[in-house]
Amino acid sequence: KQEVTQIPAALSVPEGENLVLNCSFTDSAIYNLQWFRQDPGKGLTSLLLIQSSQREQTSGRLNASLDKSSGRSTLYIAASQPGDSATYLCAVSSGDKLTFGTGTRLAVRP
Amino acid sequence: NAGVTQTPKFRILKIGQSMTLQCTQDMNHNYMYWYRQDPGMGLKLIYYSVGAGITDKGEVPNGYNVSRSTTEDFPLRLELAAPSQTSVYFCASSNRDPDTEAFFGQGTRLTVV
Repeated sequence: KQEVTQIPAALSVPEGENLVLNCSFTDSAIYNLQWFRQDPGKGLTSLLLIQSSQREQTSGRLNASLDKSSGRSTLYIAASQPGDSATYLCAVSSGDKLTFGTGTRLAVRP
Repeated sequence: NAGVTQTPKFRILKIGQSMTLQCTQDMNHNYMYWYRQDPGMGLKLIYYSVGAGITDKGEVPNGYNVSRSTTEDFPLRLELAAPSQTSVYFCASSNRDPDTEAFFGQGTRLTVV
């Protein structure tokens, strides 16, 4: 059974800081890993998809890395802004399922 | 617009009532999923389907039923609603290709009173 863990559960940083969110998974036989953003009371917005054969993906200030053998992914956010405040979720596609971590709640202070 | 469409967006049910949450996708994805998200929590898998006519239980299937008669539609049925089913429900679709994203509907906020 795939289990996905995200650390830390919550993070508060001052504006402008670079930060790293972590996602770990127990079964390395994955198809891909996806990072999502969720604003309070809203749906999920896809940020980045990393295929199992890839090591990293970049979109603007976001960079996601994948180390499949160690069961880890990181989401790096550069020069954080208050508008980045949200919950960030990682989801792992393996077997027939898409398994989510519990998320990291990020607050960026002006 | 391509994507996953869920209806309704909001619903209030009385204890013991039944309802169906609708989910439709137009991307010809084989895989479809239903999740529930309780306040401050992650997404828990209720049921999933790998293709028309095939469904299977996820982590929290009790109190729910699904069917998949077509590739496009994956309705979730709540029988005898209970307060514990108060949650936000998300439907998603994907394929088993490494380069295929999972797409999500906007969610259905259900309250059972």
